[in-house]
Amino acid sequence: DVKVTQSSRYLVKRTGEKVFLECVQDMDHENMFWYRQDPGLGLRLIYFSYDVKMKEKGDIPEGYSVSREKKERFSLILESASTNQTSMYLCASTGGAAGANVLTFGAGSRLTVL
Amino acid sequence: GNSVTQMEGPVTLSEEAFLTINCTYTATGYPSLFWYVQYPGEGLQLLLKATKADDKGSNKGFEATYRKETTSFHLEKGSVQVSDSAVYFCALNLYSGGGADGLTFGKGTHLIIQP
Repeated sequence: DVKVTQSSRYLVKRTGEKVFLECVQDMDHENMFWYRQDPGLGLRLIYFSYDVKMKEKGDIPEGYSVSREKKERFSLILESASTNQTSMYLCASTGGAAGANVLTFGAGSRLTVL
Repeated sequence: GNSVTQMEGPVTLSEEAFLTINCTYTATGYPSLFWYVQYPGEGLQLLLKATKADDKGSNKGFEATYRKETTSFHLEKGSVQVSDSAVYFCALNLYSGGGADGLTFGKGTHLIIQP
């Protein structure tokens, strides 16, 4: 029944390391999203993609990049991790019968940058 | 710009109590409104939605009515259970046919139900 899978639930990295967060969905959804969730700030959109090899900046793209080489996979990349990127990262997708504005989320990846 | 304001909590209730979580919004048009729920250790999932004024969304005993005159979408449940303990997010999308990049989330309300 799992629909959006984030491969890493917990990661600990050091400042300056390159970090990859992987997300895979099995619903053939066109649209995929990366959010970060922080206490007192709610969810903030980092990047999204409406098609393979396509990406759009969200509200807080600085310090992040993304890759979508296949329809089912959307990767978030931190080129040089910093402590202020310690957060919960949520991947989501939309499409199909549920519609373009109903998100299906993964369980999240909690990243700690030391 | 668009914004969503909700009580942050934590809100602590006893089992079988009546629940209200307030949500008000600011938008330049007529948005669609949503409640998402995040259970411990999980991602968010859609709880209910309403796409136009006076619509009532309902699911799992929860209800919310789209009130244009008060720009509100308060979440209610008549008798809460311990299993309802979660974080609840109110959200809006200005364009009813728009994509999720147009979603604006509130900061979330942490609900704790005690047996």
